[in-house]
Amino acid sequence: NAGVMQNPRHLVRRRGQEARLRCSPMKGHSHVYWYRQLPEEGLKFMVYLQKENIIDESGMPKERFSAEFPKEGPSILRIQQVVRGDSAAYFCASSPKRGGLNEQYFGPGTRLTVT
Amino acid sequence: DAKTTQPPSMDCAEGRAANLPCNHSTISGNEYVYWYRQIHSQGPQYIIHGLKNNETNEMASLIITEDRKSSTLILPHATLRDTAVYYCIVREYNNNDMRFGAGTRLTVKP
Repeated sequence: NAGVMQNPRHLVRRRGQEARLRCSPMKGHSHVYWYRQLPEEGLKFMVYLQKENIIDESGMPKERFSAEFPKEGPSILRIQQVVRGDSAAYFCASSPKRGGLNEQYFGPGTRLTVT
Repeated sequence: DAKTTQPPSMDCAEGRAANLPCNHSTISGNEYVYWYRQIHSQGPQYIIHGLKNNETNEMASLIITEDRKSSTLILPHATLRDTAVYYCIVREYNNNDMRFGAGTRLTVKP
């Protein structure tokens, strides 16, 4: 059973461009979580999605950031008009059900560099 | 969710037990204690969790004080591959997100 997959693993964008990060959850998992990790800091929750629904986006910046998890295909975290401060590692996690105990499995992350 | 406090860094000799403390003095009755670790910028890895009883699995042991205001993660025989940042997190069972703090950077030395 393949783990959580994220691509690309590394992404370089110039200021003002768009960044699209993809996350394929583990097979059978219908819940996806996105986290951001700034250099030398812990992970910060951004958004929680279930298939076709955003459940909790309390950690998402109010502008330029959006997320989706369509019925078919991976979850997408989209950052419009990137700025240098968006440079970070973005991790997604998946789980088979809401909440739960140890059932969030993390992907390897996408490292975004904005030049 | 309750806030946690961990020392920023610790060292441990290879083969010895590593004891990582965590304070969570404002924990509420329905909040669990979780431990994750992150090895060199990889995705976090689940280690163990508990509510009020001590727990043990193949990776580690978790000791929770009787008043639940603090806990200790024990790696019984640390190896070089255990060098990582260890995060102590408290959250309710059905909460969606993990609130990661700064964690403890454990360095296992030969």
